[in-house]
Amino acid sequence: EPEVTQTPSHQVTQMGQEVILRCVPISNHLYFYWYRQILGQKVEFLVSFYNNEISEKSEIFDDQFSVERPDGSNFTLKIRSTKLEDSAMYFCASSPDRGVQPQHFGDGTRLSIL
Amino acid sequence: KNEVEQSPQNLTAQEGEFITINCSYSVGISALHWLQQHPGGGIVSLFMLSSGKKKHGRLIATINIQEKHSSLHITASHPRDSAVYICAVEDGGSQGNLIFGKGTKLSVKP
Repeated sequence: EPEVTQTPSHQVTQMGQEVILRCVPISNHLYFYWYRQILGQKVEFLVSFYNNEISEKSEIFDDQFSVERPDGSNFTLKIRSTKLEDSAMYFCASSPDRGVQPQHFGDGTRLSIL
Repeated sequence: KNEVEQSPQNLTAQEGEFITINCSYSVGISALHWLQQHPGGGIVSLFMLSSGKKKHGRLIATINIQEKHSSLHITASHPRDSAVYICAVEDGGSQGNLIFGKGTKLSVKP
């Protein structure tokens, strides 16, 4: 069965550095999402992406964050000038449509900011 | 903004027991999802439903739109069912993004 793959599985970065989290969604999916989960807390929506543009973003997704689909297969989340509070598990998800079929999640990238 | 509440937060059961996890939400939705999060952190979709009831193996999910309530049932529970079960909703006007509950940590003892 096709899977959403995320790399790296664990990223350790110094505070203030830029980090790029990578996702390869399922190939025929059209809707893409990033979520994050701070340790011990619930999963939170960051951003949704459709037709090569952001379709919705949360209050968390400020100017520090950006997303790209650079080559039609990868879907990246960039965090500029990371802060300690960015430490979390980041999940990518994709779906073939909206509101009809469930989202498929990657295994996540654990981001640790030192 | 939709508020998603789950109960109980933690649940310990003996193997073979029937388990129920509840979810309520505050605002009308287009769909409700039940997800399973493994100890390693990965998330798997179990059900997506907007009305009625769905069954997959030993898992059953129901939703009552009028009462804004859903339940996830596990029949004949097994230690491998131990995981965090998460309820998440899609608001009617959203682009499919999910609003999550805090999850229910289930531990099934042999």
